[in-house]
Amino acid sequence: GDSVTQMEGPVTLSEEAFLTINCTYTATGYPSLFWYVQYPGEGLQLLLKATKADDKGSNKGFEATYRKETTSFHLEKGSVQVSDSAVYFCALSSGSARQLTFGSGTQLTVLP
Amino acid sequence: NAGVTQTPKFQVLKTGQSMTLQCAQDMNHNSMYWYRQDPGMGLRLIYYSASEGTTDKGEVPNGYNVSRLNKREFSLRLESAAPSQTSVYFCASSGGGASYEQYFGPGTRLTVT
Repeated sequence: GDSVTQMEGPVTLSEEAFLTINCTYTATGYPSLFWYVQYPGEGLQLLLKATKADDKGSNKGFEATYRKETTSFHLEKGSVQVSDSAVYFCALSSGSARQLTFGSGTQLTVLP
Repeated sequence: NAGVTQTPKFQVLKTGQSMTLQCAQDMNHNSMYWYRQDPGMGLRLIYYSASEGTTDKGEVPNGYNVSRLNKREFSLRLESAAPSQTSVYFCASSGGGASYEQYFGPGTRLTVT
């Protein structure tokens, strides 16, 4: 079946550092790919998405590129802020109802 | 426009008790989903409803039942709660389109003692 593997955390960075969170996937067909973010005590919010190979999703300074050849969708940000501290989930959608398959999540803490 | 709402926010049950988690969306979405979130395991799909009148099992359906009451509402029932069902439960909905982007509710934190 479909699966998502993402970089294990926790990740701790200083403010203004560069962020990369790795995500690779296994899927049949051509899934859409997502990054969701979860702030403490809240539900998941969509951060960015890509629907086909070579698409780049971007939002709030975060970027990820759908790489079919390496089955990857790594999340990057050039300069993180304390407010970016959260749990980040990589996910793919597949199946008749496009249900989501999630990675295990990466806890990011940004220190001032 | 409230998006996806869930009730209750918190619940404590004793083993063997039953309860229903409620979910509603006001975005006129066709598809709705129930996930559970456990530490270190991400979110796992329990049940989903691709459209009003249909429901299907996800990855971890055992011990749960669902009802798609109408287009807006999708409930999750635990008939006889077990400690292994202690988790945070999230409801989501999707309107389709190219990406089937899902919108999530705030979650219900359930503890079974």
